[in-house]
Amino acid sequence: QQQVKQSPQSLIVQKGGISIINCAYENTAFDYFPWYQQFPGKGPALLIAIRPDVSEKKEGRFTISFNKSAKQFSLHIMDSQPGDSATYFCAPLGSSNTGKLIFGQGTTLQVKP
Amino acid sequence: DTAVSQTPKYLVTQMGNDKSIKCEQNLGHDTMYWYKQDSKKFLKIMFSYNNKELIINETVPNRFSPKSPDKAHLNLHINSLELGDSAVYFCASSQVNKAEYTGELFFGEGSRLTVL
Repeated sequence: QQQVKQSPQSLIVQKGGISIINCAYENTAFDYFPWYQQFPGKGPALLIAIRPDVSEKKEGRFTISFNKSAKQFSLHIMDSQPGDSATYFCAPLGSSNTGKLIFGQGTTLQVKP
Repeated sequence: DTAVSQTPKYLVTQMGNDKSIKCEQNLGHDTMYWYKQDSKKFLKIMFSYNNKELIINETVPNRFSPKSPDKAHLNLHINSLELGDSAVYFCASSQVNKAEYTGELFFGEGSRLTVL
């Protein structure tokens, strides 16, 4: 049951470049669209999230763009840094889901110095 | 002060053995979870407890038995370990029952289980 599709699987970006990761979902009941960041040896941690009442949210170098009609949302990392090298997961959620996050397949980002 | 802590961080054991992983959260959350992350980093929910009550039980072999003695603790016991059980197991917590449910999960650092 593939409700969430994340792409690309891996990404290599030069320092200072823009990293873009996409997430497509099927369930129209989703109303919370987070991105989690996971460093090696650590658990995932919430990076940034958006509600469907806005189309974009920016926090520092990280931006979420949300396209409700296309059922897609994406993470943009501006001025990518080697410290951003990590695995990123989308995990859309509906408010009735009692916290049952369904994670995307993950994108491993490597930022080269 | 660690918000979600799990022990042990590493387990190496033989097939057929039984092992347990413990998890504690000091965030005051009402819901706790076990997730399994495989070698391809795919994260899949296994169980969830809300105030000590099992609310999510995905298709997991019954060799896996979660136990929640109170809402701050969630343990995972695995019987008759198999090679395919090798993975990283993450405990997580969230506050589900509140007016502004954010959906954010707080994860522990994981317990890497290797079955030989």
